[in-house]
Amino acid sequence: NAGVTQTPKFQVLKTGQSMTLQCAQDMNHNSMYWYRQDPGMGLRLIYYSASEGTTDKGEVPNGYNVSRLNKREFSLRLESAAPSQTSVYFCASSENDPGGISGNTIYFGEGSWLTVV
Amino acid sequence: GENVEQHPSTLSVQEGDSAVIKCTYSDSASNYFPWYKQELGKRPQLIIDIRSNVGEKKDQRIAVTLNKTAKHFSLHITETQPEDSAVYFCAARFQKLVFGTGTRLLVSP
Repeated sequence: NAGVTQTPKFQVLKTGQSMTLQCAQDMNHNSMYWYRQDPGMGLRLIYYSASEGTTDKGEVPNGYNVSRLNKREFSLRLESAAPSQTSVYFCASSENDPGGISGNTIYFGEGSWLTVV
Repeated sequence: GENVEQHPSTLSVQEGDSAVIKCTYSDSASNYFPWYKQELGKRPQLIIDIRSNVGEKKDQRIAVTLNKTAKHFSLHITETQPEDSAVYFCAARFQKLVFGTGTRLLVSP
């Protein structure tokens, strides 16, 4: 049981290049998330998928796209990378929407360090 | 939408002292308040959470209190140890989980 696995762990991109961050969870969770973490800014939600087949924008969706490929996998794509997208990206999952009656903890992946030059 | 403010941004204590981190939230409909600990270079991990129908929750040396009227909640760590040194994030959830900006706790031996 690996939990939430994301790749790559480190990536350097040139401005304008595209790339996809991959994420998979093996906990049979319904909900999946992509966050970015910048110094002094905490964790900000980019996109989330409450269940397979649905995706919704979070706080900072501009410049990103997502795909919920199946229940296990949720990818994040940068179509034309910009230096402002230099950040640490965390994928996460929860059984269902956090805060629900059954108490759904969000579990994070190990993070992907992305630098755009 | 929900807004979460967290204070202080840094906190230095001596080993054995208590540490308190405070958060305020804006949406009175928020119903779930987790706290995450993030060690350097690691992922955030849940350490304790509280729901809006509970005023206080304890787990060994850590406790969280919630004041719904004032819309603030706090993390209390007693008998701090050097391994408690990390960044701590609060969060509040109504429709989505919104995180505070983090508190860097340094516990000196």
